[in-house]
Amino acid sequence: SAVISQKPSRDICQRGTSLTIQCQVDSQVTMMFWYRQQPGQSLTLIATANQGSEATYESGFVIDKFPISRPNLTFSTLTVSNMSPEDSSIYLCSVDGTGGYNEQFFGPGTRLTVL
Amino acid sequence: AQSVAQPEDQVNVAEGNPLTVKCTYSVSGNPYLFWYVQYPNRGLQFLLKYITGDNLVKGSYGFEAEFNKSQTSFHLKKPSALVSDSALYFCAVRDYGQNFVFGPGTRLSVLP
Repeated sequence: SAVISQKPSRDICQRGTSLTIQCQVDSQVTMMFWYRQQPGQSLTLIATANQGSEATYESGFVIDKFPISRPNLTFSTLTVSNMSPEDSSIYLCSVDGTGGYNEQFFGPGTRLTVL
Repeated sequence: AQSVAQPEDQVNVAEGNPLTVKCTYSVSGNPYLFWYVQYPNRGLQFLLKYITGDNLVKGSYGFEAEFNKSQTSFHLKKPSALVSDSALYFCAVRDYGQNFVFGPGTRLSVLP
């Protein structure tokens, strides 16, 4: 299984500012995934990030609000832009196991609070 | 479209008793089903999966799940609950090559 780390683990930010979350994997992976978990809610996929191409965003999420970088096969960043209190959530990155049917492995998450 | 339902927001069980966390699903093709656990201030940890084969699958920490195609269910079970099993449990479904869809989660409380 992949080992995934995220930075920061948590942050408290002011309305209108931006925060960049980093995700590092201990092995090379083709796709990385970013999820949002709002308080008391399940996980919602924000986007899928492939190295060398634009991220693919799910319905309801846009690049201007959640720009993603994927500079190499072990690293990705998600920026939460122009934050509002509604952006307060846990943000998780994940990667696929090998094969087409496999589980995803998740990072520990970044707990974001926007005041 | 894929969907997952977890009909119970909360499950309470006494330590040492068997536990069941329920999950039903809807997919257009063959279901690939997963259970994850989330402890407080932690990411999701994979417990087990069903892809094909035996309907009863065994996973981490003594958990198992039973796939029932006719009832479109994939209930998580453990013969004897521990207080340390108290956490948030997510059922998920994935079609081949597609993204995960997670259920709403069930909070399990094991009482000493």
